[in-house]
Amino acid sequence: NAGVMQNPRHLVRRRGQEARLRCSPMKGHSHVYWYRQLPEEGLKFMVYLQKENIIDESGMPKERFSAEFPKEGPSILRIQQVVRGDSAAYFCASSKGQGGSNSPLHFGNGTRLTVT
Amino acid sequence: DQQVKQNSPSLSVQEGRISILNCDYTNSMFDYFLWYKKYPAEGPTFLISISSIKDKNEDGRFTVFLNKSAKHLSLHIVPSQPGDSAVYFCAASENQAGTALIFGKGTTLSVSS
Repeated sequence: NAGVMQNPRHLVRRRGQEARLRCSPMKGHSHVYWYRQLPEEGLKFMVYLQKENIIDESGMPKERFSAEFPKEGPSILRIQQVVRGDSAAYFCASSKGQGGSNSPLHFGNGTRLTVT
Repeated sequence: DQQVKQNSPSLSVQEGRISILNCDYTNSMFDYFLWYKKYPAEGPTFLISISSIKDKNEDGRFTVFLNKSAKHLSLHIVPSQPGDSAVYFCAASENQAGTALIFGKGTTLSVSS
């Protein structure tokens, strides 16, 4: 099953540490999206990337959060100096084209980040 | 400010009956709508979508209806099966590309046999 692969599935970090979340898109997909789900909430858009480019980062917090999708390798969501409020499930999605009816987003199983 | 609202946190239905999940939105610029299903500890799975130029889209047991004037859409599942028990998310976007999807909080559907 060559679906969207996220790792790790669970990540525990102490306050002030860095968290790195990885996402390998489906084979043939060059568009990657990161979403965050807080408890009892829906998924909230964070960032949309294509290879080596950030297309839309309107949902990213202004500080401590960054994302990349290098030419080779997975997409990385990086959270510096984590705080308890960063505890959430982080989902990555990919699509072949720019989303839409012909190219819906396919989601990974998420990384659950817990900040202690 | 919630632009996509799913006002029923949960719904219980008997196997074989119809499940109707509802979704309201406030942004009149939304022109593309989707439904995702999510099982615990898994990512959302795309179910069905509809663009604003249509009022109905059907795929097997799943039908989505869109009422633009009321800013309302619904997902009908007929007949409901126990395997349909999951959280259903409504999502919308302002562009047909569907990139920055706005999700509702979800409705938990329980189908009993």
